[in-house]
Amino acid sequence: QPVLTQSSSASASLGSSVNLTCTLSSGHSRYTIAWHQQQPGKAPRYLMKLEGSGSYNKGSGVPDRFSGSSSGADRYLTISNLQSEDEAEYHCETWDGYTPVFGGGTKVTVL
Amino acid sequence: QLQLQESGPGLVKPSETLSLTCSVSGGSINSSPYYWGWIRQPPGQGLGWIGSIFHNGVTYYNPSLKSRVTMSVDTSKNQFSLKLNSVTAADTAVYYCARRSSIFDFWGQGILVTVSS
Repeated sequence: QPVLTQSSSASASLGSSVNLTCTLSSGHSRYTIAWHQQQPGKAPRYLMKLEGSGSYNKGSGVPDRFSGSSSGADRYLTISNLQSEDEAEYHCETWDGYTPVFGGGTKVTVL
Repeated sequence: QLQLQESGPGLVKPSETLSLTCSVSGGSINSSPYYWGWIRQPPGQGLGWIGSIFHNGVTYYNPSLKSRVTMSVDTSKNQFSLKLNSVTAADTAVYYCARRSSIFDFWGQGILVTVSS
């Protein structure tokens, strides 16, 4: 079963960019993942599905400043032109058969 | 617009059964290729998958919870449900229902369930 590893926190200034990393465990480097955003006190919101090739498909209404990319076992979420509403926890998700797996989440602070 | 809404008691006593229902509106619970799931988030912690169910009643459960979990679906009401028995304080969490294809792409707002006497 895959394991997803995320840094616990990240911070960046308003208007700048931030890159979040979700790393797949050994033997699972080709897996597709999803990114979810969870603003404080709210439910998670699906952002995008990101393949090992770097191709991604975003959910409805997700702003253009959210993008994804991949390198080996690493899956990245880049937030450009950071806004105050982007301050949130970001979770990655993958699956093995019918079993979903979540990373521990990265809390993003907008300075 | 698809909406999912969790409902049920916000307080459950230790050793009793937690029962929640997810009502789906703006779409059919029979819609292919989707199926449905429950996820929980203890206070200050990450997300944890509880189980998933198809419209025909086929279920998949987290092995760590399998002995205590039962999920069911009522297609006539466009709802699916979760029962978790023999609860302890460790089951205190926000419980979310969500739609799934290969990933969870639509989430309910969540319901806080506290286990306490």
